[in-house]
This record gives sequence, structure tokens and C-alpha cells, in this order.
Amino acid sequence: DAMVIQNPRYQVTQFGKPVTLSCSQTLNHNVMYWYQQKSSQAPKLLFHYYDKDFNNEADTPDNFQSRRPNTSFCFLDIRSPGLGDAAMYLCATSRGQGTIQPQHFGDGTRLSIL
Amino acid sequence: AQSVTQPDIHITVSEGASLELRCNYSYGATPYLFWYVQSPGQGLQLLLKYFSGDTLVQGIKGFEAEFKRSQSSFNLRKPSVHWSDAAEYFCAVGGGNKLTFGTGTQLKVEL
Repeated sequence: DAMVIQNPRYQVTQFGKPVTLSCSQTLNHNVMYWYQQKSSQAPKLLFHYYDKDFNNEADTPDNFQSRRPNTSFCFLDIRSPGLGDAAMYLCATSRGQGTIQPQHFGDGTRLSIL
Repeated sequence: AQSVTQPDIHITVSEGASLELRCNYSYGATPYLFWYVQSPGQGLQLLLKYFSGDTLVQGIKGFEAEFKRSQSSFNLRKPSVHWSDAAEYFCAVGGGNKLTFGTGTQLKVEL
């Protein structure tokens, strides 16, 4: 089945130690999104790629970066994680830009900060 | 700016009972509206979407939603809830290449 896969499902890192979360997709969608979801809150969009074009949300901290080396993969890099960055990180894809296209979500990576 | 309000944080229903989850949106143009469901520890799954046309939309797992422009609402319904429906439900409005989610409604199903 075509899907969105996030690895790892659970990630533990130390305060200030860089961490990378990964997302891959077999849907061949050209848009990939990263969301942050804290406990009992709505997902919050961090940024998205439309093909190779990177689109950052205005309120996304500089601590968060992303890379998309090819259509299938997208990475979320947190350069110096703080305690407030502990959350579920969700990757999503859609066929085209414009929200008429539904987004398909992975199962998320839960990040814990020690 | 677009926004979504889900007024009920928690709802408990008995298995077999009917369900309605409320969603109100704010958007300046014709909205694209979605309902997603999230089971514990998992990502979001699309239940249904409304873009245009018939205001009563059918989705997966027996869910439906009705778009009411005059009330700026897009409520989710199911005639008979199953225990496996226990999850968190998010309403979302799309516009400007961006999805804005409500804060979610946690559904508990009593056996």
C-alpha cells in the first residue's frame, strides 16, 4: 500500500543535542509537510515543501530546519532541542499545492527531551 | 485569518448511540472543510471532505458531515457509534495552501 512512513516512532534526545526525524512516502506526492503536535492540541504547521520549494511558517522557530533531498524523503532537523520541543511530529503529503488536495499523514514521531 | 472552533473538548456516548461533533469555522471565501480522526499514538486519517456541491458529505467508517454556510458549521455525525470509534477528531479548514485545525474533540465510547 502507498503510504507515509515516519522513523523512528519514538525518539529520545538530550537537551541541546541535535536530532533528525525522517519521513518517506510512496505516494509520489509533490508536497510534504511537517507539523508539531503537543499533547491535547491541534497540529501546528511548521513548514512545507512544494517540490523543492521550501515554505516556512512565519512563527516557526529558527531551531527547526528541513531538508528534502528527493521526492520521496523529507527530514526535520532540530538543531538545539529545548524542553518545549517535546511533542509528536507529524509528516504529511498531498498531491498538489492548494488545500483542495487532502493531506495524508504518517503515524508520527514522538520526541522526548531529557 | 481562517480559524476553526470545536466547542466540545470531550464527549462520551454509549455504544450504539448516535453522535454529533460540532465544528464552526471562520473563512472569508468558500471553505474547503475536512474531518480527520486520530487514534492514540497514530497520525491523522481523513474521514471526509467538503469542497462544493451537495452539502451532506459521506465519509469512511459510516461518518457523514453537513455543511451549513448560514451557520458557518460543518458538524460530523454517525447514527450508531462503535467502541472502535473512540479517538480524537479534528475539524480543519483549508485555504491559502494551509490547513488550520481545531483543537479537537476526544470521543469516549461506553460499552
